[in-house]
Amino acid sequence: LAKTTQPISMDSYEGQEVNITCSHNNIATNDYITWYQQFPSQGPRFIIQGYKTKVTNEVASLFIPADRKSSTLSLPRVSLSDTAVYYCLVGQTGANNLFFGTGTRLTVIP
Amino acid sequence: DAGVIQSPRHEVTEMGQEVTLRCKPISGHNSLFWYRQTMMRGLELLIYFNNNVPIDDSGMPEDRFSAKMPNASFSTLKIQPSEPRDSAVYFCASSFSRSPHEAFFGQGTRLTVV
Repeated sequence: LAKTTQPISMDSYEGQEVNITCSHNNIATNDYITWYQQFPSQGPRFIIQGYKTKVTNEVASLFIPADRKSSTLSLPRVSLSDTAVYYCLVGQTGANNLFFGTGTRLTVIP
Repeated sequence: DAGVIQSPRHEVTEMGQEVTLRCKPISGHNSLFWYRQTMMRGLELLIYFNNNVPIDDSGMPEDRFSAKMPNASFSTLKIQPSEPRDSAVYFCASSFSRSPHEAFFGQGTRLTVV
């Protein structure tokens, strides 16, 4: 399993774009990168997944450089409701190795 | 679909008692995961099933913990006997095996052992 490293916490003001970077230096060729969001008192929620370059959905964008040793989750114009813990996971889609790290606690400030 | 359903939402029990947590995965999903979350240890994967078969239970902390999946629509996590250090939020999640990393989590069961 590729180990992931994320900042423990981040603060941002409402309306700003937030970028959370995850390092995964030992990522394997078959590994995908997946991000989850967890609100207090709730289970984690899948946000986005990608393999390379850029993926965008209605919630976020995921940027993956060519060497794939890191990835950046981008949240456009955050609101107070985006305050949550964000987890980066790396693993093969064919394997059920859904291991969570410590995550990044994002606090959005009014 | 109502999503992953866990019961009970809250459980308070005395040390030494047996505790059974229940999970109903999303219909059609064939992978099921049990997690435990605490402030100290974060989210720990306890066990996961694929097509009702336990694939990896290396995360199960002790023999006091056991999990079963008798059919595709039901799973249990049992702790016997329970101890105060088992107090945590227990999550169940399910996914479709072709997209195992896109898992859907239940609301969790908050277990308190006194």
